[in-house]
Amino acid sequence: GQNIDQPTEMTATEGAIVQINCTYQTSGFNGLFWYQQHAGEAPTFLSYNVLDGLEEKGRFSSFLSRSKGYSYLLLKELQMKDSASYLCAVRVMDTGRRALTFGSGTRLQVQP
Amino acid sequence: EPEVTQTPSHQVTQMGQEVILRCVPISNHLYFYWYRQILGQKVEFLVSFYNNEISEKSEIFDDQFSVERPDGSNFTLKIRSTKLEDSAMYFCASGPDRNTEAFFGQGTRLTVV
Repeated sequence: GQNIDQPTEMTATEGAIVQINCTYQTSGFNGLFWYQQHAGEAPTFLSYNVLDGLEEKGRFSSFLSRSKGYSYLLLKELQMKDSASYLCAVRVMDTGRRALTFGSGTRLQVQP
Repeated sequence: EPEVTQTPSHQVTQMGQEVILRCVPISNHLYFYWYRQILGQKVEFLVSFYNNEISEKSEIFDDQFSVERPDGSNFTLKIRSTKLEDSAMYFCASGPDRNTEAFFGQGTRLTVV
């Protein structure tokens, strides 16, 4: 099976930088995704990593180390609207399964 | 910007009744998914659909669930005899291929009473 761990809650200040970590144990790893989910809304795609390294997209960056089973999402210049849950999800390719397995999410609270 | 649309946004049903949740995926996408999220819990995969057939399903997707693509645009999830524990947000998602991200609809909140 797959196991995905991320902190339950984090708090940060508007304008600051925050790093949300995700560790996973899987077989047949085939990519890691980060989604943002505001309360009562659908997950929205943020980033995708399949190779080691950093992917940057505006204020958001995501890093992956496959050998360590580790990823982080970095949010810069935090805004109040960034208060949301951040979901780490992995795609695994064993027995042809390709659907995403989600972690429990990290609830980020941005304070003024 | 194209989006996945789901109807209804909220459905209340009595235990034992059948419900059909409807989704219109993004038009040029080939892979379709249903996920659910029980309140306060993680998003869970139910089923994926490609080329007019189920390509994979989870342990949750038992005989009470079925999916269908009745025409060229709709993708439905049917729950035959709802149970209280089926109360959740059900998300439809679609993707252009099997290796990229899935785009989620806004969800249908199902409440079984």
